[in-house]
Amino acid sequence: DGGITQSPKYLFRKEGQNVTLSCEQNLNHDAMYWYRQDPGQGLRLIYYSQIVNDFQKGDIAEGYSVSREKKESFPLTVTSAQKNPTAFYLCASSMVGLAGDEQFFGPGTRLTVL
Amino acid sequence: AQTVTQSQPEMSVQEAETVTLSCTYDTSESDYYLFWYKQPPSRQMILVIRQEAYKQQNATENRFSVNFQKAAKSFSLKISDSQLGDAAMYFCAYRSPETIQGAQKLVFGQGTRLTINP
Repeated sequence: DGGITQSPKYLFRKEGQNVTLSCEQNLNHDAMYWYRQDPGQGLRLIYYSQIVNDFQKGDIAEGYSVSREKKESFPLTVTSAQKNPTAFYLCASSMVGLAGDEQFFGPGTRLTVL
Repeated sequence: AQTVTQSQPEMSVQEAETVTLSCTYDTSESDYYLFWYKQPPSRQMILVIRQEAYKQQNATENRFSVNFQKAAKSFSLKISDSQLGDAAMYFCAYRSPETIQGAQKLVFGQGTRLTINP
C-alpha cells in the first residue's frame, strides 16, 4: 500500500538536544512538507521541498533543519535553537504542478521536551 | 499574505442531523483552491472536499458539501446525516495557484472541533 510513514510516533527529548524526525513516502511524489500543529492552532508550514537536494523555508523555519537526499525521504531535525519544540509534527507529500491536487499526510510524531 | 479564519472553535450536533462549519479567508487573488481536511482522534489528516475558485458550482462528496461564496470569501462545510464517525477536528485550507518551484503551500485555519451526540 502506498502511503507516508513517520517515526517514531512519540519522541521525548531533553532540553539542549537535537532530535530528528523521520518521514518516508512511497507515493512517488516530488513534493514533501513538514507542518507543526499546536493546540488551538492550525497547521503551520516549517519546510517544504519540491525536488531532491532542494528545499525552502516555510513560515516557522527557525530552529529547524531538513535534508532531501532521496525522493522518498524528508527528515526534519529539531535543533536546540527551537525555543518551544513540544508539538505534534506532520509530514505530507503531493504531486507537483497540479494546483488542486491534495496533500497526503503521515500519521504524525508527538515531540515532548522534558 | 493569505489568511484563513475558522470562527467556531467547537461545534456539536445530534447524530443524523445537519451541521455547518464556517470558514472565511482573505486573498487578493482571483483563482485559488480551497480544501476541508478532517483530523479524527487518530490525528491522521484526511481530505474531505476541495473547491476550485473558478468553478461556481459547489463541490459535493456524498454527505459533505460546501457553500462557496466567492465575493464574500466564505467557504462553509455542510455535513448531512451526521454520523458518530464524523467526530473530528475540521480544518479549512487555502492554496494559491502561484507556486514556488511547484510545491503546494497550504494555509490552514485554526480548526473546528466537531462532536456528534448520539
